[in-house]
Amino acid sequence: ETGVTQTPRHLVMGMTNKKSLKCEQHLGHNAMYWYKQSAKKPLELMFVYSLEERVENNSVPSRFSPECPNSSHLFLHLHTLQPEDSALYLCASSPIAGGGNTGELFFGEGSRLTVL
Amino acid sequence: RKEVEQDPGPFNVPEGATVAFNCTYSNSASQSFFWYRQDCRKEPKLLMSVYSSGNEDGRFTAQLNRASQYISLLIRDSKLSDSATYLCVVNSQAGTALIFGKGTTLSVSS
Repeated sequence: ETGVTQTPRHLVMGMTNKKSLKCEQHLGHNAMYWYKQSAKKPLELMFVYSLEERVENNSVPSRFSPECPNSSHLFLHLHTLQPEDSALYLCASSPIAGGGNTGELFFGEGSRLTVL
Repeated sequence: RKEVEQDPGPFNVPEGATVAFNCTYSNSASQSFFWYRQDCRKEPKLLMSVYSSGNEDGRFTAQLNRASQYISLLIRDSKLSDSATYLCVVNSQAGTALIFGKGTTLSVSS
């Protein structure tokens, strides 16, 4: 059982829809992340939050909007997405931003997004 | 140059073989280095950290060459259960996140 839970696990949406991905961590960590994993590409860092404050934003299109209401929850709001945004979106957490000395990020199982 | 580069493979080896993966990184200021493992349709998980002096964990040996900005992972006596994608990871320029390579796929057969 993972300490990081993502919902929904699968999502199909049209380009005009608005939806949100949710991530919850039960590990007492202070940092949370969104990564995107597309076929044949490396995991792409999207956003980093440390103590509910965004500390890194990797030139992600504005159609992706993160929200971190507290250190246990992270959302990714989606609107007017494109078919090329179809991917696996992985949430992760760590005790401190950057993983600290152990470098250990704890990932959720991901939300598989398909944009039609 | 990509931040973290790996040979994607796949590496197809028989059980018992020794296999080595290489990785290069572009940010000379990187301080932290790791290998993660990702099984098919699963999330990535930390395999081991990589220390300057090199380190070993059972059948796995990791090495770092800062001058060449090069990291390696050696797996001895491969098992079927080692079949997975191995991800080379370094910390970001800001140090607040980890940057992943594309991964090298290993398939061990009997």
